[in-house]
Parts: sequence; C-alpha cells; structure tokens
Amino acid sequence: GESVGLHLPTLSVQEGDNSIINCAYSNSASDYFIWYKQESGKGPQFIIDIRSNMDKRQGQRVTVLLNKTVKHLSLQIAATQPGDSAVYFCAETYTGNQFYFGTGTSLTVIP
Amino acid sequence: GAVVSQHPSWVICKSGTSVKIECRSLDFQATTMFWYRQFPKQSLMLMATSNEGSKATYEQGVEKDKFLINHASLTLSTLTVTSAHPEDSSFYICSAKNSGRGSEAFFGQGTRLTVV
Repeated sequence: GESVGLHLPTLSVQEGDNSIINCAYSNSASDYFIWYKQESGKGPQFIIDIRSNMDKRQGQRVTVLLNKTVKHLSLQIAATQPGDSAVYFCAETYTGNQFYFGTGTSLTVIP
Repeated sequence: GAVVSQHPSWVICKSGTSVKIECRSLDFQATTMFWYRQFPKQSLMLMATSNEGSKATYEQGVEKDKFLINHASLTLSTLTVTSAHPEDSSFYICSAKNSGRGSEAFFGQGTRLTVV
C-alpha cells in the first residue's frame, strides 16, 4: 500500500477565516487526486478532485493546489463554517482504480 | 445518483464467529468495488479490490483467508471477516466506481465492527 497515517494532525480556525489543509503524497506516478471530507462515524464524502496535468482547480468555496515537484496537495476552504468541521483526507491513485489515503487532518471550526 | 450503501451499519459479534458486511451500489453498476479498514483517528487503509465475477486482489499484508470478498453481481460486494477476534474491531468502509463515469469512487457509510 501507500502512505498510511498513524497520528491525525489537527487544525483549528475561526469561523469566517480561510483554512488550508496540506497533504504529502507518496507516489510520483500518481496522476489523479481527490480530497474527501469525513464526519464522525460516516464514510468519506467527495469534495474536489484534480488530475496531474493541472496545478489548480476551484470549486464552490474550495480550491485544490497540486505541486508535483514536491508531491504536495493542499485544500483551501474559503470562509470556513462550523459545518466544515470534519476530518479531511487526500487520496491518490496511479492505477486509476485503487485509491490510497493520506494521513488526514482534523479541522475544527470555532464559532 | 451514485449512492453506495453498506449493511449493517454497526455489528457486535463474539470472538470466533464470522461476520458478513454487504456493500451495494444502489443506482449504478460497479464492476469494481474496494474495501477499506479504518482504526480510530487514523486514515483509511485499502484492504482489497473486489472485481465482479473474479477473485479479489488483496493489498500486501491483508490475509485473504481472513477477509473473504465476493463480488457476485454488478451491484453487490460482500466482505466476510472470518473467525473474528477483538483486534479485527474496526470501521470497514467500501467504495464503488461507476463503470460509466470515470475515475471518481463513491463511498458507503461504513460498518462499525466490534468483536467481544
């Protein structure tokens, strides 16, 4: 398998601020990446994806940046809301089938 | 669309018994499904890739005789944890790819297994 997290980093932000969540992926051959949001006791929920031929992609309130040189992804959430509190994972694939998940970051939004 | 449902959501079983978890794609056909395991405050670990009509492909370190996977139809994959022990207690999550919709995988809500 690929990188597996043993400890969950945490990030706390004030409501209304922007959040930046980072992810280092492990396989330079990975060509497709997805950010997922996971709330407690639930399965992951798709947020946004990006292919390796892009370095930036924007969605509604979210932006994903990809730096292939250093194998780094970031997820930016604008105007963070309490409902954004969750664990965020990046997932990579180089097969187009199997997805391997990063460590994850626990985001807490302070009202 | 693209709903994946797991059953049961939560199960408690006695040590030594076997438990079957179902993963269904409700509104699309999934030739490939995936099974993950997640311990508290940790990431999802891919266990195996389930292919409709053929044997599952297991990730390194995952015991195929312990975690039996069957993908008998385009909408159903099952994971059976055989002779479960307390260390098998975990959150098991499946995902499915829509055969006709590119790369995105859709996840079930997960199954919490507790072995006592």
